[in-house]
Amino acid sequence: DIQMTQSPSTLSASVGDRVTITCRASQSISSWLAWYQQKPGKAPKLLIYKASSLESGVPSRFSGSGSGTEFTLSISSLQPDDFATYYCQQYNRYWTFGQGTKVEIK
Amino acid sequence: QVQLVESGGDLVRPGGSLRLSCAASGFNFSDYYMSWIRQAPGKGLEWVSYISSSGSTIYYADSVKGRFTISRDNAKNSLYLQMNSLRAEDTAVYYCVGAVAALYYFDYWGQGTLVTVSS
Repeated sequence: DIQMTQSPSTLSASVGDRVTITCRASQSISSWLAWYQQKPGKAPKLLIYKASSLESGVPSRFSGSGSGTEFTLSISSLQPDDFATYYCQQYNRYWTFGQGTKVEIK
Repeated sequence: QVQLVESGGDLVRPGGSLRLSCAASGFNFSDYYMSWIRQAPGKGLEWVSYISSSGSTIYYADSVKGRFTISRDNAKNSLYLQMNSLRAEDTAVYYCVGAVAALYYFDYWGQGTLVTVSS
């Protein structure tokens, strides 16, 4: 099984900050990685697929990078609507999610 | 617009059974590859089961293999999850999700239905 590890688990930041979340895979997954945003009581929402492709309608302040085993999700200038939990997911072999990173207000 | 609406979640005793349904609309359901994802209270996301667009290919997570059965009815634009021998650790919100291609990321998500397994 492919394990996905995100860091940090919690991130405290202010509006306007640049934020970076890291996701590591236990083995190479090429670029078969997606990022999702989840708000309390809601379903996850797709942000990024194939490691760096922005889903339609997602603000350009979100970006993804990486390949192989190390990936990052960046938010260039944190907005009030961005405080949420973020999950990475590999789809190289079946599907596995990271444990999540909660972005909270500092 | 795209909608996935789950139903069937309930409180059930350990060892009991439950059938979840997911009604799809706003897209060509028969072209989509569907899965169930679950999220235990306060926890992360776990893939549960996958079914190809035609229903010919099915996968299960080890945690539910032999207990859960996924199926679909493309004529009714519906996805199902039959859950037997339920355990406390199956307690979760169950999401119906869709992917545009086989073994791909999930671009469509339902709102979820809560399954609680408790005596």
